[in-house]
Amino acid sequence: GAVVSQHPSWVICKSGTSVKIECRSLDFQATTMFWYRQFPKQSLMLMATSNEGSKATYEQGVEKDKFLINHASLTLSTLTVTSAHPEDSSFYICSAQNPGQVYNEQFFGPGTRLTVL
Amino acid sequence: GNSVTQMEGPVTLSEEAFLTINCTYTATGYPSLFWYVQYPGEGLQLLLKATKADDKGSNKGFEATYRKETTSFHLEKGSVQVSDSAVYFCALIPLPGTGRRALTFGSGTRLQVQP
Repeated sequence: GAVVSQHPSWVICKSGTSVKIECRSLDFQATTMFWYRQFPKQSLMLMATSNEGSKATYEQGVEKDKFLINHASLTLSTLTVTSAHPEDSSFYICSAQNPGQVYNEQFFGPGTRLTVL
Repeated sequence: GNSVTQMEGPVTLSEEAFLTINCTYTATGYPSLFWYVQYPGEGLQLLLKATKADDKGSNKGFEATYRKETTSFHLEKGSVQVSDSAVYFCALIPLPGTGRRALTFGSGTRLQVQP
């Protein structure tokens, strides 16, 4: 149990286009999902916390108009990178929190590698 | 605020050597502690966890003990294999109501095991 999927697993796009990444919790309902960004050989940096039915909470320095997050249902959150540029190329990872667990464990998706040409 | 400090890598070991990756943390109260592993080109997988002081998490021969007195959660394995080569992340989540619910990660430690 507690499986989280991401789609697509990798995407290549041209500069100036928008890319949508989906994060789904497959066997539990996640009231909270998190989006992380990971640069090569570096740790994960939290971008935003996504709560079902409300606006996402963005970390300092993350542009909310560039990284649009929608958490429309208890099993799906989407991250849209708008007007992507080469510096947005990165590995984007989502996680979902199972509210049924006391210690707030998060389950991670496999990640999406975005390359902007 | 919350923070996690890991030893810098890469750590290079020969197969069957003993592994220790140090991790210390700063947090309010008693957070839950985790070790995640990331194999090349893949996402994070939970390796083990501990939710209260003196708990020992273990999985696949790895273990770590939650030490409140030293605020540490060092990862150990008695005999590493080539297949253990990966990046290991120490992380914490604070107790509900004591801080944000997102994981705080250490910088990661790359382990390279040579045959």
